[in-house]
Amino acid sequence: AQKITQTQPGMFVQEKEAVTLDCTYDTSDPSYGLFWYKQPSSGEMIFLIYQGSYDQQNATEGRYSLNFQKARKSANLVISASQLGDSAMYFCAIKSLGNNNDMRFGAGTRLTVKP
Amino acid sequence: DAGVIQSPRHEVTEMGQEVTLRCKPISGHNSLFWYRQTMMRGLELLIYFNNNVPIDDSGMPEDRFSAKMPNASFSTLKIQPSEPRDSAVYFCASGLSGRWEETQYFGPGTRLLVL
Repeated sequence: AQKITQTQPGMFVQEKEAVTLDCTYDTSDPSYGLFWYKQPSSGEMIFLIYQGSYDQQNATEGRYSLNFQKARKSANLVISASQLGDSAMYFCAIKSLGNNNDMRFGAGTRLTVKP
Repeated sequence: DAGVIQSPRHEVTEMGQEVTLRCKPISGHNSLFWYRQTMMRGLELLIYFNNNVPIDDSGMPEDRFSAKMPNASFSTLKIQPSEPRDSAVYFCASGLSGRWEETQYFGPGTRLLVL
């Protein structure tokens, strides 16, 4: 079975600073993908970034990057230069072929960016 | 390209009534997922389809819930009879099966309130 754990229910960060949102996972599959989504107050789920289990380099997408530590089974999201619009819920998710291709989500972390 | 389309966006109904939620996945995607999101339980996978065939419905709460996918471009989630505890946001998502690196793309959600 796959499991995602996000231990931070809420985080605060000052505008323009960087913040790290934690995500640890558990899976027995050798091949899997890790995903981060953003859910602003408007409710939609927005895909942010993806990291494959075989990727040698950490994924980056603009101000988003993943600190992927495979041995520790962690895939933390780093947001650099926080903006007020980054205030939202952030979900980590895992998907693998061995789990019938469905995606399992963590409980989420609510990020608040302070001006 | 159009994203995942869901209708209605909001639904208010009375306990005991039938509710039908609709979803049009992204063209070319062959996997479709129905999720439910509540404050108490977070994001739960209800059911998903590969190539219009239900693969895993273990997340469907009970017999009051049913889902169909008659063709590659349309799916419904039906609740009959509805109960107040069904109040939640229901998301539909689509993606490509057989490729664990592919993300799921979410629709805007249907906010359901059962009185």
